[in-house]
Amino acid sequence: DVKVTQSSRYLVKRTGEKVFLECVQDMDHENMFWYRQDPGLGLRLIYFSYDVKMKEKGDIPEGYSVSREKKERFSLILESASTNQTSMYLCASSLRQGNEQFFGPGTRLTVL
Amino acid sequence: AQSVSQHNHHVILSEAASLELGCNYSYGGTVNLFWYVQYPGQHLQLLLKYFSGDPLVKGIKGFEAEFIKSKFSFNLRKPSVQWSDTAEYFCAVNPNQAGTALIFGKGTTLSVSS
Repeated sequence: DVKVTQSSRYLVKRTGEKVFLECVQDMDHENMFWYRQDPGLGLRLIYFSYDVKMKEKGDIPEGYSVSREKKERFSLILESASTNQTSMYLCASSLRQGNEQFFGPGTRLTVL
Repeated sequence: AQSVSQHNHHVILSEAASLELGCNYSYGGTVNLFWYVQYPGQHLQLLLKYFSGDPLVKGIKGFEAEFIKSKFSFNLRKPSVQWSDTAEYFCAVNPNQAGTALIFGKGTTLSVSS
């Protein structure tokens, strides 16, 4: 069965901390994605990657960076967390561009 | 910029009522189309998808959607909703271009009363 896992379901951090959100997929998918989900705004794409060590900016990359050293793992990094980054973060993967995406359970991040 | 519009932000229905959720997109080329559902406390999951062929596609749990190319629309329908359909529904579009990701609508919250 298809599986995307995220390292934490809930996370509380302080302003200015460096935050790592990890995502792992076990489906040998080429593409991986990071979104944030906020009420009334839907899903907004932060970054995506279509190959190891490759990354593309999405709609809202400011304040975030990503790392993809292995095909199955895609990390989202908040270099210096701010309160406006409090949100639900969703990771997804797809076999190829244009195919359906499979989502992880999400990480609810609160920045105090 | 390409965009996806979901016209209804919140829909409230009684059980057994019929459902239609609107979705329009603003890209003129070939697209792949999706509807996702997020039940309370659960992760997003695929309801149905359209890549090509018959424009009327059937998904899980009795949902269907119709692609109308001339209207740039992909509306979701269900003839008779159940309380368990209470969820948030997202329409998503992927323009068939290299280097693009899914573009999501802002979502429609469906509340079904028993």
